Amino acid sequence: KAGVTQTPRYLIKTRGQQVTLSCSPISGHRSVSWYQQTPGQGLQFLFEYFSETQRNKGNFPGRFSGRQFSNSRSEMNVSTLELGDSALYLCASSGGLAGNYEQYFGPGTRLTVT
Amino acid sequence: SQKIEQNSEALNIQEGKTATLTCNYTNYSPAYLQWYRQDPGRGPVFLLLIRENEKEKRKERLKVTFDTTLKQSLFHITASQPADSATYLCALPGSSNTGKLIFGQGTTLQVKP
Repeated sequence: KAGVTQTPRYLIKTRGQQVTLSCSPISGHRSVSWYQQTPGQGLQFLFEYFSETQRNKGNFPGRFSGRQFSNSRSEMNVSTLELGDSALYLCASSGGLAGNYEQYFGPGTRLTVT
Repeated sequence: SQKIEQNSEALNIQEGKTATLTCNYTNYSPAYLQWYRQDPGRGPVFLLLIRENEKEKRKERLKVTFDTTLKQSLFHITASQPADSATYLCALPGSSNTGKLIFGQGTTLQVKP
């Protein structure tokens, strides 16, 4: 089975701009979760989508949003970028049902905001 | 609020020895606990899941224990190898039956030949 893929792998943006990141889960997985990883805060949960619905949300401002399509692919969007948004953004897929708790992570998108 | 603590200092051991990493949590009664490995610049890789009714779980050279009374999990790598050098993350479910995980800060393991 192909693993989780994320595009793009690297991105450089300017403060105030917006960015869209994409994630394709493992075939058959219905849950996609997004995380932000920084050296200071570690891995922090952003949100989870299951069957096109946001099932859980972390403590991030409304500038961070996401969606999931019928084929389970997911996108996350960050508007009005700030310097502090520079991070590795990871998505993870899982079966999404009881008992399927392990998550499979993609390689991440490294976002740099200047 | 829920809190997960892992050794923040790097763990340096000699090849062939057993590495033991600790994960402590507070204000939490998780149904399970997971361990992941992360190499620099890459996404975490799932290693093991242990449920609250399991005391111990093994997979090849890996062993995880789960003490719900002490609110602690120990992660052991026996006969460690330089290739085991990485950051190891402990994760607990943020809510039931969802894909929300709360991660510890991770412990970096360095195995010297």
